[in-house]
Amino acid sequence: GENVEQHPSTLSVQEGDSAVIKCTYSDSASNYFPWYKQELGKGPQLIIDIRSNVGEKKDQRIAVTLNKTAKHFSLHITETQPEDSAVYFCAATQYNNNDMRFGAGTRLTVKP
Amino acid sequence: EPEVTQTPSHQVTQMGQEVILRCVPISNHLYFYWYRQILGQKVEFLVSFYNNEISEKSEIFDDQFSVERPDGSNFTLKIRSTKLEDSAMYFCASSERAFRRETQYFGPGTRLLVL
Repeated sequence: GENVEQHPSTLSVQEGDSAVIKCTYSDSASNYFPWYKQELGKGPQLIIDIRSNVGEKKDQRIAVTLNKTAKHFSLHITETQPEDSAVYFCAATQYNNNDMRFGAGTRLTVKP
Repeated sequence: EPEVTQTPSHQVTQMGQEVILRCVPISNHLYFYWYRQILGQKVEFLVSFYNNEISEKSEIFDDQFSVERPDGSNFTLKIRSTKLEDSAMYFCASSERAFRRETQYFGPGTRLLVL
């Protein structure tokens, strides 16, 4: 089955700097890769996703890149703000598949 | 913006007791899911539900677990005889329609503590 690895487990950046979180997956059949942000006391919130027919996707300060050959995908946050502080999870699954596999999470801290 | 809601936010129970965790998915969504997250570990898939039946379940989802959609709005997870290792955060999620069902929206979770 699919196995998703996520690094780093913790990341601390200064406000205004960029943050990058990386994930690898094992199942070449996976073709959908969402990223979730989890704030304290809340459930995971979908922030961006990418499908395997796309190499990069951007939404304002957030971008995700996908390298299917290497089986890795990354989340990029530019111009970080304190409210970006949260735990970020990557995940991988297949279209029309219910079993989404999550990474272990990255705790991002943005220092003012 | 519509969101998935879950009740209760916290539940404490004695080992061996039955618990029911409740979820109200987003109203026009057709696919429903339960996940759990043991403290410090990954979010794990438990079960998915569509058209009033389980469509997929993981190896975690054994005979102690069951799901139900008792009416048009609620989706429940029942644990018949709780064990200490069932202590975790349980998340409900829903997705809209067949060709986008991988896009899942999560509720805030229920923290279950089994003593």
